[in-house]
Amino acid sequence: GAVVSQHPSRVICKSGTSVKIECRSLDFQATTMFWYRQFPKQSLMLMATSNEGSKATYEQGVEKDKFLINHASLTLSTLTVTSAHPEDSSFYICSARSGSGVNQPQHFGDGTRLSIL
Amino acid sequence: KQEVTQIPAALSVPEGENLVLNCSFTDSAIYNLQWFRQDPGKGLTSLLLIQSSQREQTSGRLNASLDKSSGRSTLYIAASQPGDSATYLCAVRGNTDKLIFGTGTRLQVFP
Repeated sequence: GAVVSQHPSRVICKSGTSVKIECRSLDFQATTMFWYRQFPKQSLMLMATSNEGSKATYEQGVEKDKFLINHASLTLSTLTVTSAHPEDSSFYICSARSGSGVNQPQHFGDGTRLSIL
Repeated sequence: KQEVTQIPAALSVPEGENLVLNCSFTDSAIYNLQWFRQDPGKGLTSLLLIQSSQREQTSGRLNASLDKSSGRSTLYIAASQPGDSATYLCAVRGNTDKLIFGTGTRLQVFP
């Protein structure tokens, strides 16, 4: 089946540090990638959607200068949390979809646990 | 605005039981509905995807049904096993092309 690899799985760093999370589709071309944030015991909240070669579309309330998304190729998207602070601590999950059809399933990475001290 | 609700929020059953998880959504204008499984501290594993024109999908011991007009879907798990313990999430995709997730059902199957 389709595999999405997300790295790193866990990050612990000091306040003010910028953190980059990578999301790769290993065996398919991901024309669209999605970034989600999940708080404990809550569901996933979409942060942004990115199409290869285009600027990401951010959801309302998500700061684009804070959460930089790059989707430079059909197999790689990155999320950079700039100048991270404790309130940015969360579980971040990427997702990728092959093809452009809305009925294509989304495949998810294993998530990144970000802890800002 | 689409809202997705899942009941029950938590469920604990003995091994071997058949069980049903429920998902309801407020806007019936959807392209598809997807059921996922999430293990603690992990990402999501896609279980079943039902297109809006379909009534049900089956995979092994799992069967998902969709009644788009009433805004409901059920996930049926037959002969539950301890390895089925996880959080189950349903999500719908509408004309915004975004997956809107429910809050999940935490399932525990004990031996």
